[in-house]
Amino acid sequence: ETGVTQSPTHLIKTRGQQVTLRCSSQSGHNTVSWYQQALGQGPQFIFQYYREEENGRGNFPPRFSGLQFPNYSSELNVNALELDDSALYLCASSLKGAETQYFGPGTRLLVL
Amino acid sequence: DQQVKQNSPSLSVQEGRISILNCDYTNSMFDYFLWYKKYPAEGPTFLISISSIKDKNEDGRFTVFLNKSAKHLSLHIVPSQPGDSAVYFCAASAASGTYKYIFGTGTRLKVLA
Repeated sequence: ETGVTQSPTHLIKTRGQQVTLRCSSQSGHNTVSWYQQALGQGPQFIFQYYREEENGRGNFPPRFSGLQFPNYSSELNVNALELDDSALYLCASSLKGAETQYFGPGTRLLVL
Repeated sequence: DQQVKQNSPSLSVQEGRISILNCDYTNSMFDYFLWYKKYPAEGPTFLISISSIKDKNEDGRFTVFLNKSAKHLSLHIVPSQPGDSAVYFCAASAASGTYKYIFGTGTRLKVLA
């Protein structure tokens, strides 16, 4: 059974650019959640996807968007990057209806 | 407004002794609580959880206690081991169907050999 994987591990972008982060769910998991973890903070919920539809969203602007694919993998897209978007982006997978989420190692994004 | 608070940013404990990590929450709608451990350069690893219908859950060296009236939970690690040194996050969720987690800011535990 493979765990949650994310790519890339690190990324450097400049203000105004766009970025796509990728996540592969743990085998058998059909729900994916994305979190942003700024330095010294706990992870903050961005949104969750189930059956390729957004299933809940945190307090993040529309320039944060996502996709889930039929194989349950997922992408997080961020447009018009800002300096404050620099953070660790975590993906977590779970079974719908199961409350425990399992996290990937994260993608560290630096916006200059 | 920080709905989940971990007021101790760090804790040092001698190997073999008990580590107690605390977490407070403000939202009475939270009904499921979890603890995660995070090593540098890794994602959070699930440790233990508790539902609001219980006041205690135990798994090996880890026990979580929930005091609903005080809106407080704690994680006890007995005995503490050097490999337990990590950042510990508590998280809470409400049965909204999304199970979005609200995380605390973390407590860095250092277990001294």
